[in-house]
Amino acid sequence: GAVVSQHPSRVICKSGTSVKIECRSLDFQATTMFWYRQFPKKSLMLMATSNEGSKATYEQGVEKDKFLINHASLTLSTLTVTSAHPEDSSFYICSARSGGGGEQYFGPGTRLTVT
Amino acid sequence: GDSVTQMEGPVTLSEEAFLTINCTYTATGYPSLFWYVQYPGEGLQLLLKATKADDKGSNKGFEATYRKETTSFHLEKGSVQVSDSAVYFCALSGSYSGAGSYQLTFGKGTKLSVIP
Repeated sequence: GAVVSQHPSRVICKSGTSVKIECRSLDFQATTMFWYRQFPKKSLMLMATSNEGSKATYEQGVEKDKFLINHASLTLSTLTVTSAHPEDSSFYICSARSGGGGEQYFGPGTRLTVT
Repeated sequence: GDSVTQMEGPVTLSEEAFLTINCTYTATGYPSLFWYVQYPGEGLQLLLKATKADDKGSNKGFEATYRKETTSFHLEKGSVQVSDSAVYFCALSGSYSGAGSYQLTFGKGTKLSVIP
């Protein structure tokens, strides 16, 4: 099946710094990528949807200037958490899909800890 | 808005026991329903799905039936194995996001541990 990777799997950063998380579709072209955030014992919460070559669409309540998303190619999307604070500590998961109605394939997630 | 409620667990079963994980949903229209599984250290994988009422999704011995009258999509397996230990997420696809695609709404996940 289709494989989606994320890098890094874990990252610890200091408050005020920025962190970039990469999401790659390894064996298919992803026209759409999704970024989720998961809090302990809570659902995955959709943060934003990005289509290759266009600006990401953010869900209500998600700060687009804080969570910068770039989907510059059909196999790579990046999420940059800018000026990170401890409350940004979470598990971030991406998914990728080819075509309008295809299945979403999920990455393994990235654990971000801001100290 | 759309929502999914599933039993929170954790659920611990002995090998070969019967498994049920309850899932109910709230949505307008006619959503598609999914069960995803997340094994330790891996991404979510689609386990099964159903796209209309009375459909039964099945895979790897797991089954779930789309019940519109009870707005439910309970996951069942007749005889679990140690290798089934994972977190299971119920989800629906119904809302059309502003980005031009249907988005998934997830339940909180249920951790299943199967002991020998």
